[in-house]
Amino acid sequence: GDSVTQMEGPVTLSEEACLTINCTYTATGYPSLFWYVQYPGEGLQLLLKATKADDKGSNKGFEATYRKETTSFHLEKGSVQVSDSAVYFCALGDYKLSFGAGTTVTVRA
Amino acid sequence: EAGVAQSPRYKIIEKRQSVAFWCNPISGHATLYWYQQILGQGPKLLIQFQNNGVVDDSQLPKDRFSAERLKGVDSTLKIQPAKLEDSAVYLCASRPGTRETQYFGPGTRLLVL
Repeated sequence: GDSVTQMEGPVTLSEEACLTINCTYTATGYPSLFWYVQYPGEGLQLLLKATKADDKGSNKGFEATYRKETTSFHLEKGSVQVSDSAVYFCALGDYKLSFGAGTTVTVRA
Repeated sequence: EAGVAQSPRYKIIEKRQSVAFWCNPISGHATLYWYQQILGQGPKLLIQFQNNGVVDDSQLPKDRFSAERLKGVDSTLKIQPAKLEDSAVYLCASRPGTRETQYFGPGTRLLVL
């Protein structure tokens, strides 16, 4: 079945550092791809999405591009803030979602 | 617009007891999901409803888990009897149709002792 493999954490960064979280997928066809974020004590929130190959999703300074050739959807941010500390989940699916295991990111001031 | 509501937020029970969780989706959302999120893992789909009908319950442990969505709005997920390995966060999500973005509730954190 469809699945995603996500970079393991935890990841600890200093403020203003660059962040990349790797995500690769296995799927039949070309399902939509998502990044969800879970802040401490809160539910999952959609961060960004891409629905077809070469689409770029972006939100709050985060970007990810749907790469069919490498079956990847890596999450990037050029300059992180303390408020970006959270757990990030890569997911795929159109009718139901399959999630990666999550990557915990901690940003230090 | 109000988000997905869930209650209770926290629940502690002993093994072999029963427990129920409630979800109120965003108004007008026809599709509703229940996910189980074990600590350190991503959410795993338990069941999907389209209006008041079950679309996918292939991952639901039917010997102890049950769910219903009467009248196609609110939903209840029940565990009876609970096991230690059921300790997890139970997330409810909804979407308007079948392909749009899913919106998640805050979850119910269950601890089985």
